[in-house]
Amino acid sequence: EVQLVESGGGLVQPGGSLRLSCAVSGATVNSDYMSWVRQAPGKGLEWVSIVYSSGGTYYAESVKDRFSIFRDPSNNTLNLQMKSLRVEDTAIYYCARGLVWGFKYWGQGVPVTVSS
Amino acid sequence: EVVMTQSPATLSVSPGERVTLSCRASQSVRNNLVWYQQKPGQAPRLLIYAVSTRATGIPARFSGSGFGTDFTLTITSLQSEDSAVYYCQQYDDWPPITFGGGTKVEIK
Repeated sequence: EVQLVESGGGLVQPGGSLRLSCAVSGATVNSDYMSWVRQAPGKGLEWVSIVYSSGGTYYAESVKDRFSIFRDPSNNTLNLQMKSLRVEDTAIYYCARGLVWGFKYWGQGVPVTVSS
Repeated sequence: EVVMTQSPATLSVSPGERVTLSCRASQSVRNNLVWYQQKPGQAPRLLIYAVSTRATGIPARFSGSGFGTDFTLTITSLQSEDSAVYYCQQYDDWPPITFGGGTKVEIK
């Protein structure tokens, strides 16, 4: 069974940086689409970024040029490097696996709070 | 960007009743439509993919239908554990991958 476990969240000041990680077990991080999806407090789901099995990446307009998604096959982890953080980036961040036929596997989520 | 619109925003239903949730896309997404269930404090859970195929372990009381721009999630005989927010999502025309705003199902 595939399991995803996020880490790295926390409190950061506006303009700061943070790196989230998602440890993958039961599968290799390179073998399927992997995404980050976020949920602001009391709000709905928002797709943030995706990396293909081939390595291609895409980003939501709201995070383009500030966030970077990448994989570390040596640790079988998915990462999200976030810089120039804004108050509106405050959310629970989930990693998710799959795309065709839906995001089948989700992590438990990690909170990110951007506040002074 | 494909905009997904869900209605109603909130639904209050008695146990045993039939529930119908709507999802509309701003352009055709063919059959590239999925539904998720999210309970408070939990990650979303995949319910239905490709419009009408139940994911592993999803009870038969959940069903999906539609094609193109109009989709429906039906819960026959609502159970107390079905109280949750339900989201639709398209992956036909991306990026971005887009979600609907959600429908909250409450138990009367």
